Amino acid sequence: QVQLVQSGAELKKPGASVKVSCKASGYTFTNYYIHWVRQAPGQGLEWMGISNPGGTSTTYAQKFQGRVTMTRDTFKNTVYMELTSLRSEDTAIYYCARVRVRGPKPHFDPWGQGTLVTVSS
Amino acid sequence: SYVLTQPPSVSVAPGETARITCGGKNIGSTSVHWYQQKPGQAPMLVIYYDSDRPSGIPERFSGSNSGNTATLTISRVEAEDEADYYCQVWDTNRASVVFGGGTKLTVL
Repeated sequence: QVQLVQSGAELKKPGASVKVSCKASGYTFTNYYIHWVRQAPGQGLEWMGISNPGGTSTTYAQKFQGRVTMTRDTFKNTVYMELTSLRSEDTAIYYCARVRVRGPKPHFDPWGQGTLVTVSS
Repeated sequence: SYVLTQPPSVSVAPGETARITCGGKNIGSTSVHWYQQKPGQAPMLVIYYDSDRPSGIPERFSGSNSGNTATLTISRVEAEDEADYYCQVWDTNRASVVFGGGTKLTVL
C-alpha cells in the first residue's frame, strides 16, 4: 500500500537547522508530488511547499522562502525538508503528504505520521 | 492571500447531522477538500473535489460547494466522528495551498 514514513523527533537549539526525511513506498516515487505541512502545538495546518520527486523543481510558501529547502533522493525514494535558522515558533509537527492524484487541484492522501521538531535552548 | 474561514467549533448530539462550513471569496469556483484529524494522528482526507469520498470513508460524509461557502456534512453523527476538520484549496493565483483554520467537532 502507499505509505510515507518520516524520520524521528528532533530537538534543536535556536539558530540551528533541521532536516526531516520522508520515505515513500508502494508506488512509483517520481510520479507524484509531495507537499510539506506543519502544525504548531494546538494550532492548525500550515502549508510549507512542494517537492517534485521527478525533478528538481520546488515551490515554497512565501513565509519560508530563504529558510527552507526541499530535496529528493530517487535511489532511496525519499524526500527531505530542511529548515534553517530555527526559532521557538518553529516548534511543530512536520508532515509530508503525497498528492492523491496528479493534477491541478492538489489534495493529499496519504500523509506521513509526522515528525515533532522542538526548538528550545 | 486567499483566506478560508471556518467556525472554531461545532457541537452535535449522536445521530444528528453536523454541518461544518468553509467560507472564502467565490470559493464555489474552485475545488475544496476536507480532512479529519483526531488527536495524536495525521490528517486524513475525507472529501475531495467538493463532494467525492475516498474509499473507506463512510457515506455519512458528504460535501457541497457554492458561492462563497463550502460545507462538509456528516449525517448520523457517531462518537468516532469527534475530531478537528480542515478545508483546503489550491490558490492558483499564488500557486500555494491554503487551509482553513479548522473546526473542532464535539459529539455531545
